Amino acid sequence: EVQLVQSGAEVKKPGDSLKISCKGSGYTFTTYWIAWVRQMPGKGLEWMGIIYPRDSDTRYSPSFQGQVTISADKSINTAYLQWSSLKASDSAVYYCARQYQGSGNYLVFDYWGQGTLVTVSS
Amino acid sequence: QSALTQPPSASGSPGQSVTISCSGTSSDVGGYKYVSWYQQHPGKAPKLMIYEVSKRPSGVPDRFSGSKSGNTASLTVSGLQAEDEADYYCSSYAGSNNLVFGGGTKLTVL
Repeated sequence: EVQLVQSGAEVKKPGDSLKISCKGSGYTFTTYWIAWVRQMPGKGLEWMGIIYPRDSDTRYSPSFQGQVTISADKSINTAYLQWSSLKASDSAVYYCARQYQGSGNYLVFDYWGQGTLVTVSS
Repeated sequence: QSALTQPPSASGSPGQSVTISCSGTSSDVGGYKYVSWYQQHPGKAPKLMIYEVSKRPSGVPDRFSGSKSGNTASLTVSGLQAEDEADYYCSSYAGSNNLVFGGGTKLTVL
């Protein structure tokens, strides 16, 4: 069974750093792109970026370039999303999602993690 | 990159059909066949319902269908059921390895 299991909720202060994770299982982790998607409270989905764990090829949405870092450790089937200095406006639920290989485009996602709630407050 | 435009809400009675629109530009919806639709129930992760404008992944009921005309894509839900009540998001490839989502539509089954 394919699963993406994300790390637990985080409460941080502005200026803190943070790294959240997404562990894949039930499939060959290195051969599927993994994306990160933000959902701010009561708002819609926003695509942040994507990584190919086999070679760590990473692409970012222009809106998030320079704001976050996406990485992966293929030895433990885990992708990461990290911030060096959080802002209150980073408060959101963050989802990881796996590429759907049935599509000719890699920016389609069939399996999603359960989401990680990040709260940034002083 | 601006979000795609969806109506905030849509509704229909059980058994009826409802169509949700997703408007973009020639740089996204109009320029590519890579429009997808996701269903999201409250507190849950999104679920892929339609990809490449009109294709359904395995397991998605054929009550869900997609289409596109020019810069506007549409999702139609036929034979509405109570469990279809959810938020629906469109997304489109926007070139240069970029993806844009719509703002979402809350579908209410009356």
